[in-house]
Parts: sequence; structure tokens; C-alpha cells
Amino acid sequence: KAGVTQTPRYLIKTRGQQVTLSCSPISGHRSVSWYQQTPGQGLQFLFEYFSETQRNKGNFPGRFSGRQFSNSRSEMNVSTLELGDSALYLCASSLGWDSPLHFGNGTRLTVT
Amino acid sequence: KQEVTQIPAALSVPEGENLVLNCSFTDSAIYNLQWFRQDPGKGLTSLLLIQSSQREQTSGRLNASLDKSSGRSTLYIAASQPGDSATYLCAVRPNNNDMRFGAGTRLTVKP
Repeated sequence: KAGVTQTPRYLIKTRGQQVTLSCSPISGHRSVSWYQQTPGQGLQFLFEYFSETQRNKGNFPGRFSGRQFSNSRSEMNVSTLELGDSALYLCASSLGWDSPLHFGNGTRLTVT
Repeated sequence: KQEVTQIPAALSVPEGENLVLNCSFTDSAIYNLQWFRQDPGKGLTSLLLIQSSQREQTSGRLNASLDKSSGRSTLYIAASQPGDSATYLCAVRPNNNDMRFGAGTRLTVKP
């Protein structure tokens, strides 16, 4: 069974640009969540989707948005990039809240 | 607001030693707790998931315990090996809410 797939693996963008990251969950998983990981702040929750509905949202500015498609694939978008958005963005999928989270290898975003 | 703390931040042990990693959380109203390992530059690998009604879970050389009333969990690693070197993170899911992660314990097992 394929794991969680995130694309692209690496991204370099300049300030002010926007970026879209993609996540394909494990087959059958309907819950997808996104996290930002930085050395200073650790792992921080961005948002969670279940069956195309956003269930929870973390404490991030409106520049960060996401969506989930009917096949459970998810995308997150960051607009008007700032230097502080440089981070490893991780996606995780699960069957539901009482099931383990399974993570992808992340997208490393560098903003210059 | 749920806060998760992991102590120690880093740990170095010789191969073969048994060790315990600690995780504490401030709000006992949790749905479950999960332990992960993370290798450099990679995502997180799920190790053990403990539901709020459970006291412990075991997988191979790993045993995780949960004491909700005191807000603590421990991850016990038996007979450590160099391949166990990684950062170990615990995460709690508050009731009806998103996962909260600790900062992790960086483990080094020396041959």
C-alpha cells in the first residue's frame, strides 16, 4: 500500500510569490491534515480536512489556505510568501481521529 | 490551551541500554496520544497510538504508557540500537481538536 505522497519535495520561491503544495493520502484515508515544521516553533498544526470539509484550522494568517478534493487528495496554498514561511510542510492522513496519523516526507519550502 | 512538553531534549546512550522518554501534557481531556520518530529531513513515522481509555501499548522493543490523570506518557525502548537514533515526538489529540506536538527528544545511540 502506497504511503502519503507529497509533491514537490523541494521548492524555492521569492517573497511575494504564491505556492501550492500537494498531498495524496493513503488509499481509503479520508482525513488529511497539514503541519508546518520549523527549528524554532517545532510542529504546528495548519488545518485538517475530512471528506472535503475543513474540520479544524490552526492559528495561521489567512494567507494559508487549503482544500480537499473528492478523491481525498489535498492541496495547501500560501499566498504573498514571506521569509518566515520557509519551513518543512508536512501532510498526514488517517482513517479518522481514533486512528494513527501517517505522514509524508514533506515539502521543503525556501523563501528568498 | 493544551501544551506538550518532552524531557529531555536530547539523550545519548550506549548501545544495548534500556531507556525512557518522557512526555507531559497540561490538559487531561485528550482523545488519544501518539508517539512518532523522525529521521533527519524526513516525515514522521508512527510508532504507537494510545487511546484515552488505554494504559499502554507495545510494539516489539517499544512500550508506551499513558497516565491521563497526571498528564504523562512514557516511551520505553528496550535494548537500544544505533538504528534507533532519531528524534522522538509525542502528540496529543485534545477532544474534538487538532494534534498538539511536543518539541521532541533527540536520541543518539552510540555503537
